[in-house]
Amino acid sequence: KQEVTQIPAALSVPEGENLVLNCSFTDSAIYNLQWFRQDPGKGLTSLLLIQSSQREQTSGRLNASLDKSSGRSTLYIAASQPGDSATYLCAVIGDYKLSFGAGTTVTVRA
Amino acid sequence: GAVVSQHPSRVICKSGTSVKIECRSLDFQATTMFWYRQFPKKSLMLMATSNEGSKATYEQGVEKDKFLINHASLTLSTLTVTSAHPEDSSFYICSARDLPVNTEAFFGQGTRLTVV
Repeated sequence: KQEVTQIPAALSVPEGENLVLNCSFTDSAIYNLQWFRQDPGKGLTSLLLIQSSQREQTSGRLNASLDKSSGRSTLYIAASQPGDSATYLCAVIGDYKLSFGAGTTVTVRA
Repeated sequence: GAVVSQHPSRVICKSGTSVKIECRSLDFQATTMFWYRQFPKKSLMLMATSNEGSKATYEQGVEKDKFLINHASLTLSTLTVTSAHPEDSSFYICSARDLPVNTEAFFGQGTRLTVV
């Protein structure tokens, strides 16, 4: 059974600092890995999708890396802003369904 | 990205009644739809997977008679919580995805269900 872990559970940084969010998974037989953002009481917004054959994916200030062999992914958010405050979830797709981590709750202080 | 619309966003119902939640893919055909439940400060728990025109596959521990799922078309899936009780109060989120299996998953806005 796939287990996904996100560390730390919570993170508070001053505005402008770079964010590093970690995700690890136990079974490397995955199709892809997806990072999401969730605001309180809302659904999930897809941020980045990394296919299993890729090593990284970039979108604006976001960069996600994937090391399938070691079962790790990292989401980097450059020059953080208060609007980046949210919970970030990573999910891996194995056979047909997503397995989620518990998320990292980020607070960016103005 | 693609849009998945979930309705209602909030619902309060009396204990013993049934509640229906709709999930629609607005600009793509969703071969597969997923229903999740999320507890406070916890990860998403997959409840069931549905494919258009066939019966839903429920995860272990999820009561299929309580959580009825219907995937009537490639753009609509519904979750009906039957004979709701206060312990069913939770945040329910749907997700939709098209083939192949490694495509991006898109999520609805979620439904906050409160059973009083």
